[in-house]
Amino acid sequence: DAGVIQSPRHEVTEMGQEVTLRCKPISGHDYLFWYRQTMMRGLELLIYFNNNVPIDDSGMPEDRFSAKMPNASFSTLKIQPSEPRDSAVYFCASSSDPRRQLSYGYTFGSGTRLTVV
Amino acid sequence: QQQVKQSPQSLIVQKGGISIINCAYENTAFDYFPWYQQFPGKGPALLIAIRPDVSEKKEGRFTISFNKSAKQFSLHIMDSQPGDSATYFCAASIRGRDDKIIFGKGTRLHILP
Repeated sequence: DAGVIQSPRHEVTEMGQEVTLRCKPISGHDYLFWYRQTMMRGLELLIYFNNNVPIDDSGMPEDRFSAKMPNASFSTLKIQPSEPRDSAVYFCASSSDPRRQLSYGYTFGSGTRLTVV
Repeated sequence: QQQVKQSPQSLIVQKGGISIINCAYENTAFDYFPWYQQFPGKGPALLIAIRPDVSEKKEGRFTISFNKSAKQFSLHIMDSQPGDSATYFCAASIRGRDDKIIFGKGTRLHILP
């Protein structure tokens, strides 16, 4: 398996523009997570899905952020309009049901570095 | 209650030395404690994990020590090598409930050659 695939790797956009980040989870994984990483706040969970259904979006900072998972192999995180304070590395991660595993963990993608100028 | 507090924020260790990173938690419902390792430009990757029914788990040069009564756990890296230079995150979760892993803020480890 190629692992969790995120695109683009880098995105530079102007304030006010719409940004869409993409993620392809590992085939067969039931859970998908979106995280944001900054120096100040570390890894913040934004939202997660189970079987394509959003379970907890309490970490989404504002209404400008939205996430979808139309099928088991694709998810998007959209920011509209983007602001400079949204600059961060955004990670997607996936996992299978923890109750089926002895050693439970997430598999992270390589992230998208977003810069809003 | 949901936080995992990690220290130190950064750590410099001589090659061959022991690197120690500490974490503390409040929520006694946590029952799974993984550690993640992150290299620059990469996502975090699961390194080692422990459940609270054991006090220690060792995998190669990496050991987790767990103190349930103190609600603390730590990562020890023996014979630290320059290739161990990375950011390390401790984490905690309640398996089978909401399945979220709560991460500490991370420790940036640098091993001097």
